[in-house]
Amino acid sequence: ETGVTQTPRHLVMGMTNKKSLKCEQHLGHNAMYWYKQSAKKPLELMFVYNFKEQTENNSVPSRFSPECPNSSHLFLHLHTLQPEDSALYLCASSQRQGGGTGELFFGEGSRLTVL
Amino acid sequence: GQQLNQSPQSMFIQEGEDVSMNCTSSSIFNTWLWYKQEPGEGPVLLIALYKAGELTSNGRLTAQFGITRKDSFLNISASIPSDVGIYFCAGQLTGTYKYIFGTGTRLKVLA
Repeated sequence: ETGVTQTPRHLVMGMTNKKSLKCEQHLGHNAMYWYKQSAKKPLELMFVYNFKEQTENNSVPSRFSPECPNSSHLFLHLHTLQPEDSALYLCASSQRQGGGTGELFFGEGSRLTVL
Repeated sequence: GQQLNQSPQSMFIQEGEDVSMNCTSSSIFNTWLWYKQEPGEGPVLLIALYKAGELTSNGRLTAQFGITRKDSFLNISASIPSDVGIYFCAGQLTGTYKYIFGTGTRLKVLA
């Protein structure tokens, strides 16, 4: 079993659909992240959760709605998306410690296509 | 905002050659991470660096944390076809829990 698992791996949705991405980490970490990866751009941090509390929202449009029910699970709820939201969405986890955080471990990503 | 300059953007090399790539910034970092990403997959952590000047190896890969804490490099020795992929650096800003990422170096190895 891999450390961070994401489902679904691929998702195609229309602009009026509602769907969700799921992430689960089996590493015992206390922080979870959503990143967006678009072609030819650096990874963009979207949301950060520390012990289930959201500590960062990087000016993400409200059509993306995260949920973190516990420190092992993270969801990204999607509704009324735009074609430019098509990208690879990556979940990551780390162990928050002291004034920083340890290594980031990523899932395999969910490839989203918005028609 | 802060950004990481990663170079080169892409490399085409012959099998057996050595490869070097680096990341630089005007910001100071307390951790550097290097990742490899293959098509359709998430980034896989290769090497983590925690101290200025630290030199760490993982098989044929060697990475160093720059003395100024503003840069890092990754070397791959004796490249093989399975080294193909995109390599990313990530730096954790001092006093924060955030990592910022380079734009990646796309490596192609010709057999």
